Amino acid sequence: GAGVSQSPSNKVTEKGKDVELRCDPISGHTALYWYRQSLGQGLEFLIYFQGNSAPDKSGLPSDRFSAERTGGSVSTLTIQRTQQEDSAVYLCASSLVWRDLEDTQYFGPGTRLTVL
Amino acid sequence: QKEVEQNSGPLSVPEGAIASLNCTYSDRGSQSFFWYRQYSGKSPELIMSIYSNGDKEDGRFTAQLNKASQYVSLLIRDSQPSDSATYLCAVKDTNAGKSTFGDGTTLTVKP
Repeated sequence: GAGVSQSPSNKVTEKGKDVELRCDPISGHTALYWYRQSLGQGLEFLIYFQGNSAPDKSGLPSDRFSAERTGGSVSTLTIQRTQQEDSAVYLCASSLVWRDLEDTQYFGPGTRLTVL
Repeated sequence: QKEVEQNSGPLSVPEGAIASLNCTYSDRGSQSFFWYRQYSGKSPELIMSIYSNGDKEDGRFTAQLNKASQYVSLLIRDSQPSDSATYLCAVKDTNAGKSTFGDGTTLTVKP
């Protein structure tokens, strides 16, 4: 079946503008994760959803970042008043059962965000 | 101290050699451990997962877990140039739900 999809694949924006990043998880996957990866760095956890609720928002860098998930499926990550330090690749992943020991996360292709 | 630490790279091995990648973690509540491979410009993909102490083998890959030492490793036997990538160690506390990733180790296999 289809994998995790993300849109847009690339986004260039001006400092101060708002952006929305979209993630379509694998059908039937209950857990959805957002990460950020700066050039040459590891994955920085942002937020995850179990169904439509977000038990852990601790990774969101500031109150300019927010995310929602509707219908247990599509998720949107919104960054308000973007700053240059927000430039990174934003990765979304989904998994079948978040509490399963061997729960595998499947990653989307990412959205490369560049803030000028 | 980072929650998940990986041996600093880059790591370079000749083709056919064994590559050894190491990872330590600080949270003793961690229950599941994953190795992901990430090619340049691509997304991470799962290679192996392990949650019991000992070794787990899958083809040329062997994951080793020692919970007492809070240590997990990945061995790649008969390394191939196609194994050249960044390897990410991820540690998950299934009660908390989230996974914490290390910064990765970049492996280069030279023909």
